[in-house]
Amino acid sequence: SYELTQPPSVSVSPGQTASITCSGHKLGNKYTCWYQQKPGQSPALVIYQDNKRPSGIPERFSGSNSGNTATLTISGTQAMDEADYYCQAWDSSTVIFGGGTRLIVL
Amino acid sequence: QVQLVQSGAEVKRPGASVKVSCKASGYTVTTYGISWVRQAPGQGLEWMGWINIYNGDTNYAQRLQGRVTMTTDTPTTTAYMELRRLRSDDTAVYYCARSATPADYFDPWGQGTLVTVSS
Repeated sequence: SYELTQPPSVSVSPGQTASITCSGHKLGNKYTCWYQQKPGQSPALVIYQDNKRPSGIPERFSGSNSGNTATLTISGTQAMDEADYYCQAWDSSTVIFGGGTRLIVL
Repeated sequence: QVQLVQSGAEVKRPGASVKVSCKASGYTVTTYGISWVRQAPGQGLEWMGWINIYNGDTNYAQRLQGRVTMTTDTPTTTAYMELRRLRSDDTAVYYCARSATPADYFDPWGQGTLVTVSS
């Protein structure tokens, strides 16, 4: 079955750029989206169709997807960005989620 | 605004069934579907399935086939997810989310419903 692999955690200093990867076989051939989940809250969409931002999502969030890896990039990371991030793709009539990455803003 | 409001927390015995509701508002409900996703305590997200609000077509996750049923009541713009033969590892927060197709992104999400399975 298809799998999406994310690093368990990523650390970043405030104001720096954070990159969270999501790896899967030929993932670049599929649309990938990203969700942010803060403690005690529901997930919220931050990137869809690889690189599109929903309205209300800050410009510092961007996405890319090529080859076997999709990447969520947060430029000028803020303390409020500390959260769990999940990638999602579709394969063989099934929604696949990555295992999630905890972004730690030090 | 687009909103999904779910029913309240449930406590069930092993072997019982649970039915969670998700009321949609703020958009033309029949032009989108509803996906269900669950999250066990401290764990990641698991997709359960999707239902087409317009015609009732469903697409269930293979590992839940035979235990889960998704339905809708169009006049009340409410979707339902029923899970049968509950086990302790079904303890989780259950979310509904709007998605145009099962392959599409989920936005927005409901507030979540905690289902606890315990003897």
